[in-house]
Amino acid sequence: EAGVTQFPSHSVIEKGQTVTLRCDPISGHDNLYWYRRVMGKEIKFLLHFVKESKQDESGMPNNRFLAERTGGTYSTLKVQPAELEDSGVYFCASSQDNLGSEAFFGQGTRLTVV
Amino acid sequence: AQRVTQPEKLLSVFKGAPVELKCNYSYSGSPELFWYVQYSRQRLQLLLRHISRESIKGFTADLNKGETSFHLKKPFAQEEDSAMYYCALSPPLSSASKIIFGSGTRLSIRP
Repeated sequence: EAGVTQFPSHSVIEKGQTVTLRCDPISGHDNLYWYRRVMGKEIKFLLHFVKESKQDESGMPNNRFLAERTGGTYSTLKVQPAELEDSGVYFCASSQDNLGSEAFFGQGTRLTVV
Repeated sequence: AQRVTQPEKLLSVFKGAPVELKCNYSYSGSPELFWYVQYSRQRLQLLLRHISRESIKGFTADLNKGETSFHLKKPFAQEEDSAMYYCALSPPLSSASKIIFGSGTRLSIRP
């Protein structure tokens, strides 16, 4: 069974540019989460999808970040325009619909804004 | 406020020595507590959760509600235990919801 996959694994962009990160959850997992780890700090929650709906987007830092999950399958996280402080590792995770199920993580996308 | 605190950024011990990774949490209620691990060049994965009360790879973690702690322990460290460890919590089993992570502790086992 394929795990959670994220693309790209690394991205280096200039300040002001746009970047789109993609996450493919485990097939059949309704719940999809985005997290971010900034250097030296904790892994912070960004948002949570249940199927195609945003269940909780309280962690999104500002309106430069836009997440979508059309059709309830894969998700994209777009940063536009990127700022230096957006650098970090972006993780995606998915879990099944049943309560308390384990969240499985992707390998992360390392974003560097220069 | 919901928060997970891991006071040690780095913990280095010799192979065969006991290991204890500290974790304290702040939550009004009874959360689910977890330990996640990320080995070198691998993805973040669940190591254990308090409700299962099991030992994984020799690690155990006891929930102490009085001290709001969930320290991770192993009596004899092995070199393959070297990794980044994250303590985490989530709300009780009432809904699928977000996981709150600590800042992580890098465990380094010296031969």
